Amino acid sequence: EAGVAQSPRYKIIEKRQSVAFWCNPISGHATLYWYQQILGQGPKLLIQFQNNGVVDDSQLPKDRFSAERLKGVDSTLKIQPAKLEDSAVYLCASSWGGGSSYGYTFGSGTRLTVV
Amino acid sequence: GQQLNQSPQSMFIQEGEDVSMNCTSSSIFNTWLWYKQDPGEGPVLLIALYKAGELTSNGRLTAQFGITRKDSFLNISASIPSDVGIYFCAGHAGNMLTFGGGTRLMVKP
Repeated sequence: EAGVAQSPRYKIIEKRQSVAFWCNPISGHATLYWYQQILGQGPKLLIQFQNNGVVDDSQLPKDRFSAERLKGVDSTLKIQPAKLEDSAVYLCASSWGGGSSYGYTFGSGTRLTVV
Repeated sequence: GQQLNQSPQSMFIQEGEDVSMNCTSSSIFNTWLWYKQDPGEGPVLLIALYKAGELTSNGRLTAQFGITRKDSFLNISASIPSDVGIYFCAGHAGNMLTFGGGTRLMVKP
């Protein structure tokens, strides 16, 4: 089966600019997650979708970050305006959902550098 | 929020040696997962543990789900150079997956 697809792989922007990341989960996976991974740390959950509804966005900096999952498939994560501390790898993951970790799979991530 | 303490933070070993790393938490998890992350890639699942006390092997890897459901360990036997990478534990409860800080493994040929 195809894995979780993410694009772009790399992005360099200046602070205060905006940026968007795209994720296509594994077909049939109801749950989609966005993680932020700062260099040297484990991934931190930003937002979780179940189909097209938000399950948990408690750690999403909502003043600058937004995410949507229209039609319950693809998802985009946006940062506007970006800050230097947003430099990180943004990982998308998907799973079958229903409270189970079964099938939990990560994409290769988008490495964001804010200068 | 939930936190996982993973140790050691890094290990530098000789090829052929065995490796052990562990994670502890103040919270109970229903599932423990162990991932490996290579540079420029997302984490890849190595082993999943679903029951307290469960001991599971995957080739040279062995992991256990602690009886208290608050800890887990991963052992790698007879390490080889391609074992180099960062290993993460993750605990799953409800709909949330919480990651440890990672163990960076370096193997000297």
